[in-house]
Amino acid sequence: DTAVSQTPKYLVTQMGNDKSIKCEQNLGHDTMYWYKQDSKKFLKIMFSYNNKELIINETVPNRFSPKSPDKAHLNLHINSLELGDSAVYFCASSQETGYEQYFGPGTRLTVT
Amino acid sequence: GIQVEQSPPDLILQEGANSTLRCNFSDSVNNLQWFHQNPWGQLINLFYIPSGTKQNGRLSATTVATERYSLLYISSSQTTDSGVYFCAVYTGGFKTIFGAGTRLFVKA
Repeated sequence: DTAVSQTPKYLVTQMGNDKSIKCEQNLGHDTMYWYKQDSKKFLKIMFSYNNKELIINETVPNRFSPKSPDKAHLNLHINSLELGDSAVYFCASSQETGYEQYFGPGTRLTVT
Repeated sequence: GIQVEQSPPDLILQEGANSTLRCNFSDSVNNLQWFHQNPWGQLINLFYIPSGTKQNGRLSATTVATERYSLLYISSSQTTDSGVYFCAVYTGGFKTIFGAGTRLFVKA
């Protein structure tokens, strides 16, 4: 009965490939997020969705495309992966924008 | 944009000691959260505290929004408290800004 789940947990791929990370929440929340945590542990918001609508895109390259098929899911597709994309990606959700956020376990992406 | 600063950046404690972690922010915020990232990378909610004081076991937090800071108190620290502590502020522009974190190591 995990609240926010992500798959896969680890992802190792080569430069130039396309990959997706899936996120699901069973909390009934309306808002979902993607964050990137770099090698220095710094966390930065990438996208925020409210009721399946994109409400923030923090100057993320066009190679990153989020998709929200319904309120419980927010997937992240990355095209033409680059070395600099290596990081841990966290999905999160909250009841509404600005409310308490709950994080998934993270996906460690390694681009070689 | 808003700046979020956490101090100290690193902290080493002997098991049983108490500590105070600080989070300063440069502008008014709507909400503030404290998280613990354990050594396995999991982000655990500690407090959702836009203002006032809350307590949960050995941990407590105080946010003084008018003075733009929040404090996290850890009493009788245990080795399982090790990890990185983050504060995150919600600015109202649909943005959540994280501080750089305080890395805590508790020695047995």
